Amino acid sequence: SYELAQPHSVSVSPGQTASITCSGDKLGDKYASWYQQKPGQPPVLVIYQDIKRPSGIPERISGSNSGNTATLTISGTQAMDEADYYCQAWDSDTAVFGGGTKLTVL
Amino acid sequence: QVQLQESGPGLVKPSETLSLSCTVSGGSISGYYWSWIRQPPGKGLEWIGYIYYSGSTNYNPSLKSRVTISVDTSKNQFSLKVTSVTAADTAVYYCARLQVAGIGNWFDPWGQGILVTVSS
Repeated sequence: SYELAQPHSVSVSPGQTASITCSGDKLGDKYASWYQQKPGQPPVLVIYQDIKRPSGIPERISGSNSGNTATLTISGTQAMDEADYYCQAWDSDTAVFGGGTKLTVL
Repeated sequence: QVQLQESGPGLVKPSETLSLSCTVSGGSISGYYWSWIRQPPGKGLEWIGYIYYSGSTNYNPSLKSRVTISVDTSKNQFSLKVTSVTAADTAVYYCARLQVAGIGNWFDPWGQGILVTVSS
């Protein structure tokens, strides 16, 4: 079965750029979505179709996808960005989620 | 804007059937795909399956033998049943709208989630 791998945790200083990776076999040939989840809350879509932002998501959140890796980038990271982030893709009409990355803003 | 709300028992006994409903408000269930996703306490997300408003379904192969998703357009609801539950089925269960665009489909919005505990 298809798998997506994410780092367990990423740390960033306020105002700096955070990058969260998501790796899967030929992931660049698929579309990746990203979800932000804060404690006790449901996931919120922040990126879809690799690079698109839903309305209400700040421009400092961006995505890319090439080769075997999709990347979520948060520029000018703020305390409010501290959360778990999950990537997701489709393989053979099955939705697959990465294991999640805890972003800590130090 | 569309909102989703899960409902159902928070406690289910082992070997019994877990049954949940998701009520869609602020919009029609017709014309869209709808999905269930779960998250064991402290763990990641697992996709369970989806249903089209017409009733066609697709399930995660790892759960397919125990899962049924159905839709009731008259009530603007869709439902989930998981049979023969064990402690491993303890999770927060989310319902979500599946936005379909050929490839690269995504889940938005999500319900608040409901914790279901499997225990005797």
